[in-house]
Amino acid sequence: ELKVEQNPLFLSMQEGKNYTIYCNYSTTSDRLYWYRQDPGKSLESLFVLLSNGAVKQEGRLMASLDTKARLSTLHITAAVHDLSATYFCAVDIIAGTYKYIFGTGTRLKVLA
Amino acid sequence: DTEVTQTPKHLVMGMTNKKSLKCEQHMGHRAMYWYKQKAKKPPELMFVYSYEKLSINESVPSRFSPECPNSSLLNLHLHALQPEDSALYLCASSQEDYRNSQGTEAFFGQGTRLTVV
Repeated sequence: ELKVEQNPLFLSMQEGKNYTIYCNYSTTSDRLYWYRQDPGKSLESLFVLLSNGAVKQEGRLMASLDTKARLSTLHITAAVHDLSATYFCAVDIIAGTYKYIFGTGTRLKVLA
Repeated sequence: DTEVTQTPKHLVMGMTNKKSLKCEQHMGHRAMYWYKQKAKKPPELMFVYSYEKLSINESVPSRFSPECPNSSLLNLHLHALQPEDSALYLCASSQEDYRNSQGTEAFFGQGTRLTVV
């Protein structure tokens, strides 16, 4: 059974601090996606990582992928309150067609 | 246009009612998905349609019945639901091309907040 686990599940941090969210998955896949979800809202695509060693950056967020370790990281630099949300990683696997399996999610709260 | 549109945004229904959720996309995506999301949980895959054919059913109870009338539309018909079916129902779409170098990023609609009373 495919497992996609995130660590930590909940993160409370001060503005201006740095932190990393980890996403481990149990199947062979060279594609991983990061999404953001605000309370009661839908999922917003943040990053698409398509190969081993891929690194993408947008503002204060940087995502990377290590397919050999089956690990992706989402690094937050100098956090601001607006980054407060739930972050999900997702792996796509081929089972006749693509399907996306989501990680457990990390609820991030940035304190002013 | 990277928009997936879902209607209605909110729905309250009784356990004997029949209702439908609708989803529409005009990105030319040939894969469409229904996900169910309970509060503070990740989205759980329910169904996948590929080229308008049901490709994956994740052992979803028969009180949920998906339908894909054409390549742009996806419906979820609801009948005799239980209170525990109350959740946010998300529709998504993606390209159906295993060789796509841009990946198969899924685009999500705003969801339908369903309450079963």
